[in-house]
Amino acid sequence: QSALTQPASVSGSPGQSITISCTGTSSDVGGYNYVSWYQQHPGKAPKLMIYEVSNRPSGVPDRFSGSKSGNTASLTISGLQAEDEADYYCGSYTSSSTLVFGGGTKLTVL
Amino acid sequence: QVQLQESGPGLVKPSQTLSLTCTVSGGSISSGSYYWSWIRQPAGKGLEWIGRIYSSGSTNYNPSLKSRVTISVDTSKNQFSLKLSSVTAADTAVYYCARTTYCSGGSCYPYNWGQGTLVTVSS
Repeated sequence: QSALTQPASVSGSPGQSITISCTGTSSDVGGYNYVSWYQQHPGKAPKLMIYEVSNRPSGVPDRFSGSKSGNTASLTISGLQAEDEADYYCGSYTSSSTLVFGGGTKLTVL
Repeated sequence: QVQLQESGPGLVKPSQTLSLTCTVSGGSISSGSYYWSWIRQPAGKGLEWIGRIYSSGSTNYNPSLKSRVTISVDTSKNQFSLKLSSVTAADTAVYYCARTTYCSGGSCYPYNWGQGTLVTVSS
């Protein structure tokens, strides 16, 4: 299985909104509404932020939202805060009953 | 709150078998509809899903690792384990164990993670 494609980096100023894209194929992102997003701070384990394309686990701020169109999913963070600076990974269920991750996107809050 | 802790050798020689155990506390590994997963991350690189096991013992593996991976569960010890054979330097990574949740249609999401353990493959 091939990794999903994410931009290497994105940046934004506090209070602004940013969007991170995640492109796959019809065998993963495009074929199922089972896209997830993870936040990882340096030296820490990843944290689930979004599941099933747009659902937030309990405790995740509603500034984080997800969507999908065709083979591309997106994570939008609105009202950017300094603590949002981290690496973000998308993930998708696949036709082989496996999970595939994206290469990761480094978010810099300017 | 369930907690997971990885354990095992931090150094493995090339061609040998990497063996890690994940001990689960705060909940029974055999209760509930959870998959128990292994995920790894080479230094400075992205996440790679290794595989998962259900409490019943059914497994799914990353096709690129399938020939070398075995994930098993020991309900009596509340642990699940990873074995990766014929390792090379490319297998050097931080290895995480995780419990998945929000399962639907076979898709589950790693939600409770261990802190991760670094395994280096070197002679």
